[in-house]
Amino acid sequence: DAGVTQSPTHLIKTRGQQVTLRCSPKSGHDTVSWYQQALGQGPQFIFQYYEEEERQRGNFPDRFSGHQFPNYSSELNVNALLLGDSALYLCASSLAVHGNQPQHFGDGTRLSIL
Amino acid sequence: GESVGLHLPTLSVQEGDNSIINCAYSNSASDYFIWYKQESGKGPQFIIDIRSNMDKRQGQRVTVLLNKTVKHLSLQIAATQPGDSAVYFCAENGISFQKLVFGTGTRLLVSP
Repeated sequence: DAGVTQSPTHLIKTRGQQVTLRCSPKSGHDTVSWYQQALGQGPQFIFQYYEEEERQRGNFPDRFSGHQFPNYSSELNVNALLLGDSALYLCASSLAVHGNQPQHFGDGTRLSIL
Repeated sequence: GESVGLHLPTLSVQEGDNSIINCAYSNSASDYFIWYKQESGKGPQFIIDIRSNMDKRQGQRVTVLLNKTVKHLSLQIAATQPGDSAVYFCAENGISFQKLVFGTGTRLLVSP
């Protein structure tokens, strides 16, 4: 049973460029959330996708956008990259049922901006 | 706003000791809490969760305690092993949606 998978594992970009990160949720999960984790800090919620729509958004600018596909996989897009966007980007998946349940994380994409 | 914080940034213990990692949360309306373990180069790994209608929950070698009166959460690890060395995060899950609010984490160092 495959867990959450993310690609690529590492990426180097320069300021002003655009980047797309990809995530496949754990088998059976239908909800995908994205988090940004700066070095030495806890993950910060970016947004969540369910039924191919953005359901909730954290305090991130519009340069951060996403998409969810019919097979529940998801992409995170970041435009006009800034040095401060350097971080580990984590994807987490879960099943949208009533009541809370743990999210399962992938190992992330390490994005470095030069 | 919501925030989840930790009291100790680094905890050093000897192998075989019991470890206690603490966490304070600020949103009294929070009703679900999770502990994650993050090893270097890996994503957060689920350890144990607890709902606000419980005070204590036990897993294998781990126990989570919830004190809603003082908005405090703790993770107890029995017979700590070198493999337990990692950064531990507590997280609060929003009531309506599955948004996790993390603290900055506590690094647990286990010496043999």
